[in-house]
Parts: sequence; C-alpha cells; structure tokens
Amino acid sequence: DTAVSQTPKYLVTQMGNDKSIKCEQNLGHDTMYWYKQDSKKFLKIMFSYNNKELIINETVPNRFSPKSPDKAHLNLHINSLELGDSAVYFCASSHQGNGNQPQHFGDGTRLSIL
Amino acid sequence: QKEVEQNSGPLSVPEGAIASLNCTYSDRGSQSFFWYRQYSGKSPELIMFIYSNGDKEDGRFTAQLNKASQYVSLLIRDSQPSDSATYLCAVNPSMEYGNKLVFGAGTILRVKS
Repeated sequence: DTAVSQTPKYLVTQMGNDKSIKCEQNLGHDTMYWYKQDSKKFLKIMFSYNNKELIINETVPNRFSPKSPDKAHLNLHINSLELGDSAVYFCASSHQGNGNQPQHFGDGTRLSIL
Repeated sequence: QKEVEQNSGPLSVPEGAIASLNCTYSDRGSQSFFWYRQYSGKSPELIMFIYSNGDKEDGRFTAQLNKASQYVSLLIRDSQPSDSATYLCAVNPSMEYGNKLVFGAGTILRVKS
C-alpha cells in the first residue's frame, strides 16, 4: 500500500549511458514532481506535471526528459549520463492547488555514475 | 532568486528539552510553509504546514509563522532521540509559482539521551 513508489531504488551505471526512473502514486493526486538531492543534501525541484501537462520546468539540462502517461505516473529519462548527475532523485505528488498542498515523497532513487 | 535559509547545525539538545528550528525566506509574497523531517538515507516526511501568522500545534510539534519578519520556526517539545534527523523548511514563493516548493538546506538535529 505504498503511496509514492519509485523504481529502481539504486542505479549504478557508467558515464554516457541512458537510464530511466519510474514513479507511481496511488494517493489520487493530480500533480507529480521530480526533485534532485545532491551530495550536500540540497533538495531542488526539476519538473512538475499536472494531469499529464508539464507546468514546472526548472533550468535542467535537456538530457533530462520527463514523461507522464497519466496522472498517476511520472517517469524520468536521462540521456548521456554525466558524473554530476550522481544524486538522489525523489518523486513526489500532491493535489493541485495554489502552492498550499503538501507534497508526499517517494523513497528516492540513488543514482551513481562511475 | 527565491531563497530559504536555515542554520545547518548540528543543533544538539538533551532528551526531554525543547528543540527550536528556525527558517527565514526572502520572498515577501510567500503564502505556504512546510516542515519536513528527513532521516539519513530516507525520504523527506511531512511534519507540519502553516499558512497563517501565529502558531499551529500538532502533538509535540508547533509551527510558528511571522510573515512580517519572514520567519517560520518549528518547536519540538519533549525531544526524543528518535527526533534526531535533518529538518527541511520548504516555502511556496507565491501563487505565480504554482505548487513549486523552495527548500532550505536543512538543520541537523541531534537529541542526546
């Protein structure tokens, strides 16, 4: 009965490879997010989707491409991985609102680039 | 640049004491404020949210908001060793940003038994 689930939990790969992370929520939320937490533990938003529509797109390299097939799923594909992409990537979800809706986080995907 | 600032700590308190965690934000139009707890190697967990000036209490936790001073705090009463974690302050800068949250870097809390 996990609320926000991400797969895989760990991802170890080599520089230059392409990888995807999947996220699913069963909370009935209509907005989903991707965050990146770097080695200094700073958590920063990357993307947000509402009902499959991209609504937040921060200054993220275009090697990162989110896709939302429906409002319960948000995936993240990363091309040509670089050393600096090593981080923990968190998916989150919430109800749509005017910034007043709490966001609930998945367990994270720990990406390590060799 | 919308910023949220927290003292990185660590803040050390003895078991049973009150822990006071502070956060300031730069955007005066900010409307919504959230406190998350993050244990090492785990995901952020929502503790409280507050929208109006004043205090909001939930069990051992009290959130305090002062929009004039652009200051939000979290008090933890009767601190327990299990409260040892990083506490993240998050702010929605203003309605024009939709549901975007800007996080502070977090304060490490250590409760000593």
